[in-house]
Amino acid sequence: DAGVIQSPRHEVTEMGQEVTLRCKPISGHDYLFWYRQTMMRGLELLIYFNNNVPIDDSGMPEDRFSAKMPNASFSTLKIQPSEPRDSAVYFCASSDWTGQGEQYFGPGTRLTVT
Amino acid sequence: EDQVTQSPEALRLQEGESSSLNCSYTVSGLRGLFWYRQDPGKGPEFLFTLYSAGEEKEKERLKATLTKKESFLHITAPKPEDSATYLCAVQASGGSYIPTFGRGTSLIVHP
Repeated sequence: DAGVIQSPRHEVTEMGQEVTLRCKPISGHDYLFWYRQTMMRGLELLIYFNNNVPIDDSGMPEDRFSAKMPNASFSTLKIQPSEPRDSAVYFCASSDWTGQGEQYFGPGTRLTVT
Repeated sequence: EDQVTQSPEALRLQEGESSSLNCSYTVSGLRGLFWYRQDPGKGPEFLFTLYSAGEEKEKERLKATLTKKESFLHITAPKPEDSATYLCAVQASGGSYIPTFGRGTSLIVHP
């Protein structure tokens, strides 16, 4: 398996633009997680899905953030409109039903909003 | 609220100088404690799961141990390639089972 795949790896955009981050989890994994990592706040859980259904989005900072999982092999995290304070590394991770703690992370998307 | 505190924030070692990283936690019933390694520019990589006090896991120069209040990641005779940030996460036995991550310890091993 290729592991968790994320795209793009780097994104530079201007304030106010829409940003869409993409993730393909490991085949067969039931859980998908979106995280944001910054020096100031560390690794923060934004939202997670179980069997394509959003379970907990309490970590989503504002209504500008939205996430979808239309099928078992694809998820998106959208920011609209983007702001400079959204600059961070965004990770997608997946796990199977036996171990939500044993998560497999993608390489991340480094987002810079100018 | 579940809390995970890692110390020290940063650690510099000479090659071969053994040391330990600490992860202390407050959780209403521990289901599992997890250690991850994160290299610069990459996502965290899963290392170990510990479930109960007294349990130990080993991988190469790393050994993770668990008590009722904390976990240690012992690094024996480290090499420069062990340089990374080490993250600890705890999973509570009640609720959603989604783990809470600590801020990590940044380890640098000098040759």
